[in-house]
Amino acid sequence: EVQLSESGGNLVQPGGSLRLSCAASGFTFTNFAMSWVRQAPGKGLEWVAGMSISGATTIYAASVKGRFTVSRDNSKNTLYLQMNSLRAEDTAVYYCAKDSFPSITTDSRFDHWGQGALVTVSS
Amino acid sequence: DIQLTQSPSSLSASVGDRVTITCRASRSITSHLHWYQKKPGKAPNLLIFATSSLQSGVPSRFSGSGSGTDFALTISSLHPEDFATYYCQQSYTSPLTFGQGTKVEIK
Repeated sequence: EVQLSESGGNLVQPGGSLRLSCAASGFTFTNFAMSWVRQAPGKGLEWVAGMSISGATTIYAASVKGRFTVSRDNSKNTLYLQMNSLRAEDTAVYYCAKDSFPSITTDSRFDHWGQGALVTVSS
Repeated sequence: DIQLTQSPSSLSASVGDRVTITCRASRSITSHLHWYQKKPGKAPNLLIFATSSLQSGVPSRFSGSGSGTDFALTISSLHPEDFATYYCQQSYTSPLTFGQGTKVEIK
C-alpha cells in the first residue's frame, strides 16, 4: 500500500524558515517524480514545487520561487521542502503528492497524496 | 500560466441526481486535464486522468470529457459519499495549475 507521511509543520514567524519532510513507502520511490501541493485556509489547491526522480529537474510556482527548495533523498525514500522567508500567505496545509511518471511531464497527475502538514506563519 | 476556471463554484444536488462540472482553460491544453475529489480534512483523490480515463478503484458513475479548452466531469447518479469539492488540474505546461474548485452540497 502506498503511504506518504508529511512531518515538520509548525507555527513560524514571518521571515522564518521551516523544513517539511515526506516519508514514502509501499512503492519504488526512485521511479516517480514527487510534488508539493498546498491548500490555504478556505482556498483551493495550489501546486508549489515538483522534482524528477534524480532531482535533475525541479520546478517551482512563481509564488515560492527563490524562497522554497524541494529536494529528495532516494536512499531514505524521503521528499523535503525547505521554506525560507516565510510570509503570512504561505499559511496552508502542505501535501506531498506522488506523480504517475518519473518526471514532471505533460501527463503528470497525482495518484497518491499524504494527509498533509499544517504550516502557520504568524507573529 | 494557464488559468483553469470551473463552473459552477458550488451547486446543490440530491442523491441520485446527474451532476456536471465544467473546467475551461485559458488556452488549449489538448487532453492534459485531470480531476480530483477533495473532502475536508482528507487528502485529494484522483478520479479521472487525461480527460476521460478512470483512475483505478474509482466508481464508474464518474466520467470525464472534453478537449482543447473545455472539459467536463459528470457524476451520473450522485451518491451520499460524493458530496465534496472537485478540482480540475492541467499538466500541459508548467507551472501545473488547478481550478478554483466546485463544491457539491446536499440539497
